Amino acid sequence: QSALTQPASVSGSPGQSVTISCTGTSSDVGGYNYVSWYQQYPGKAPKLIIYDVTKWPSGVSTRFSGSKSGNTASLRISGLQDEDEADYYCCSYVDTNTLLFGGGTKVTVL
Amino acid sequence: VHLLQSGAEVKRPGASVKLSCQASGYTLSSHSLSWVRQAPGQVFEWLGGISVYNGKTTYGPKFQGRVTVTTDTPRTTVYLEVSNLTPDDTAVYYCGRDSDAPLDVWGPGTLVTVS
Repeated sequence: QSALTQPASVSGSPGQSVTISCTGTSSDVGGYNYVSWYQQYPGKAPKLIIYDVTKWPSGVSTRFSGSKSGNTASLRISGLQDEDEADYYCCSYVDTNTLLFGGGTKVTVL
Repeated sequence: VHLLQSGAEVKRPGASVKLSCQASGYTLSSHSLSWVRQAPGQVFEWLGGISVYNGKTTYGPKFQGRVTVTTDTPRTTVYLEVSNLTPDDTAVYYCGRDSDAPLDVWGPGTLVTVS
């Protein structure tokens, strides 16, 4: 299994929006509505911010939103804030009853 | 709700390591639990998971046969054992709760160094 494909980095100014893509195949992203997104600060454990493509866990800002089209899922961060500078990882259920992660995207707030 | 993990380990190549994960703030047996690792500069890898209630396990294809996930009889602790370690197994190993969403709560991670 190859990792899901994410851009290595994206950047934006405070207040702007950025979108991170996550591309897989019909065996993972395209086959199930089970894509989740995680935010990770350096040296810390990841935090769930989106699950089942579009759902928010309790307490997560609605500035984060998810979507999916075909084999590509996307995470949009609206109203970019300094605290959003972190690494973001997508994750998908796979038809082998396992989970597959993306390579991660570093978000930089300019 | 927190997950508590055992401390850092240093192992020789060829050895095995057994890590533990306990829950605080919820009953461990009420949800499944996964193990994930992150090697330096590498992608997260899902090693395997367990339904703590009935002990049913699932493993990632890459780790089948070399990784074992178990729980103790009171179902208060989940273990991950990795055998035949190589330097490529050097990573931070996380346990994570699987509820309505996969990995909705993560442990702090355990650093395993193979050298």
